[in-house]
Amino acid sequence: EVQLLESGGGLVQPGGSLRLSCAASGFTFSSSAMSWVRQAPGKGLEWVSDINSSGTSTYSADSVKGRFTISRDNSKNTLYLQMNSLRAEDTAVYFCAKPLSSIYYYGLDVWGQGTTVTVSS
Amino acid sequence: EIVMTQSPATLSLSPGERATLSCKASQSISSNLAWYHQRPGQAPRLLIYAASTRATGIPARFSGSGSGTDFTLTISSLQSEDFAVYYCQQYQNWPPLTFGGGTKVEIK
Repeated sequence: EVQLLESGGGLVQPGGSLRLSCAASGFTFSSSAMSWVRQAPGKGLEWVSDINSSGTSTYSADSVKGRFTISRDNSKNTLYLQMNSLRAEDTAVYFCAKPLSSIYYYGLDVWGQGTTVTVSS
Repeated sequence: EIVMTQSPATLSLSPGERATLSCKASQSISSNLAWYHQRPGQAPRLLIYAASTRATGIPARFSGSGSGTDFTLTISSLQSEDFAVYYCQQYQNWPPLTFGGGTKVEIK
């Protein structure tokens, strides 16, 4: 069964840091690009960051650029999101997700259950 | 950045009725559009990709149409499990990938 399991969320003060992890299983992780998508309380979906299968190319939303870093360890089948200089507006459920195809982007067909990040003093 | 606009914000319908949801892109995205739904407390689920192709396991009552800037998701006969929030997403020009604001389909 294809599965993604996020961890690492929690309560952090403004300006603080947090590292999210996403453990993948049931598919060839090293062949798949991966994404982080977040959802603020009561709001819609917001794309955060993408990484290619080898980890050599990354892309991030302007709202997190320079503060968040996406990375991966293919030997551990794990995706990461290092979050620095956190702000109240970063409060959200963070989902990791896998694209449907490794050849052409068609959308995200596997999602984790999400991990909650709360930024508050 | 391509802006995706969904309408209506809320759709109040009864089980068995037909639902028609709209998604408009601020510029042409060809057929590079996906639809998701999200039930409360759950992760989103991919329903449709390439504007009109159903994802694996998605019932035939879900259909997508459109190209360019105007897209439609149709649910032919609403089932209880279909009451949820629906999002469209473009992947023509990214970064950034962009989602619409969502349409909530609620029970009337």
